[in-house]
Amino acid sequence: KQEVTQIPAALSVPEGENLVLNCSFTDSAIYNLQWFRQDPGKGLTSLLLIQSSQREQTSGRLNASLDKSSGRSTLYIAASQPGDSATYLCAVRITGGGNKLTFGTGTQLKVEL
Amino acid sequence: NAGVTQTPKFRILKIGQSMTLQCAQDMNHNYMYWYRQDPGMGLKLIYYSVGAGITDKGEVPNGYNVSRSTTEDFPLRLELAAPSQTSVYFCASSLFYDEQFFGPGTRLTVL
Repeated sequence: KQEVTQIPAALSVPEGENLVLNCSFTDSAIYNLQWFRQDPGKGLTSLLLIQSSQREQTSGRLNASLDKSSGRSTLYIAASQPGDSATYLCAVRITGGGNKLTFGTGTQLKVEL
Repeated sequence: NAGVTQTPKFRILKIGQSMTLQCAQDMNHNYMYWYRQDPGMGLKLIYYSVGAGITDKGEVPNGYNVSRSTTEDFPLRLELAAPSQTSVYFCASSLFYDEQFFGPGTRLTVL
């Protein structure tokens, strides 16, 4: 059974700092991996989708990498801003598992002025 | 283009009552999903649908029912509500095996 872990559960950084969020998964037979952002009391916003054949994806200040062999993905946020404060979730879609996502429990990020 | 919409936003039920959570999408997506999110836990898949008339169970289907009569709508039915069903419910959709887009959620409390 696929398990997805995100460490740390919470992170606080000063504004302007570059940071990395981690996502680990136990089954390397993944189809793709998706990173989401969730603001308090809101739904999930898709940030990046990485296919299993890709090593990384970029969108603005965000860069997500994928290493299937080690079961890891990282989300790099450059020049963090207070508006980046949110919970970041990763979710994995396994090969042959239909389109079902297995979610991690998220990293709660706070960017302080 | 409203994306994925959900109603109601909030609801309080008494134990044993029933209700339907509504979900609609206007992106002509084939796949639709229902998740629940409990504090400190990741999202868990309740039911999903790959097209009108086709539904299947997810990880935590007990106590819930779904139907999909149109491409746009995917309602979730709770029968005999229990305190364990207190949660935030999210509906999502995707075209195929790609990005899933989420609605704003329904916060349900069962007392």
